[in-house]
Amino acid sequence: QITLKESGPALVKPTQTLTLTCTFSGFSLSASGVSVGWIRQPPGKALEWLALIYWDDDRRYNPSLKNRLTITKDTSKNQVVLTMTNMDPVDTATYYCAHSNADWFDPWGQGTLVTVSS
Amino acid sequence: EIVLTQSPGTLSFSPGERATLSCRASQSLAGGYIAWYQQKPGQTPRLLIYGASHRATGIPDRFSGSGSGTDFTLTIRRLEPEDFAVYYCQQYGDSWTFGQGTKVEI
Repeated sequence: QITLKESGPALVKPTQTLTLTCTFSGFSLSASGVSVGWIRQPPGKALEWLALIYWDDDRRYNPSLKNRLTITKDTSKNQVVLTMTNMDPVDTATYYCAHSNADWFDPWGQGTLVTVSS
Repeated sequence: EIVLTQSPGTLSFSPGERATLSCRASQSLAGGYIAWYQQKPGQTPRLLIYGASHRATGIPDRFSGSGSGTDFTLTIRRLEPEDFAVYYCQQYGDSWTFGQGTKVEI
């Protein structure tokens, strides 16, 4: 059974850097074809894909946020970390990580709500 | 960037009715690179359909997907009370993007 869980701060101040960790089980991110993505959802709004990391450490970013995002993996810890710099109140959202075959996302973690406020 | 348009934003049905949801892509997705997700209030999105028409594991057969090119459809054959939710399409033909969602309400 594949499970994922996001962790990180619930509240960050504007201009700060957000660091979120996705801890997963039930699969290996060193296995060919496996990837993990991050998706966010502002309250009451739609889903937005942020970043994805492949088993071979190749990385993809949402072009509109590329300059602010970094995604890394620690295969030995079964973790994927997303950092987002220069946080703004518009970045307030629930952040999800999800297992992927680099096409669709399934399953998803439970999500973690991050509020950006001073 | 491929933009996905889901319209209308809200559809109203009664249980037992057939629901047809639309997702239109700004560029052709020749490989049918569309997935559909269901999200209930306070819950995580759940994969329903991938490859435009393939049901994910455990998804009831009242859910079906179709389409090609730029126009894709999710059909719910007979709405059950638990089907009232928000549905998102997602493309993976060129990077990854989601539609704005369609809320299916009673």
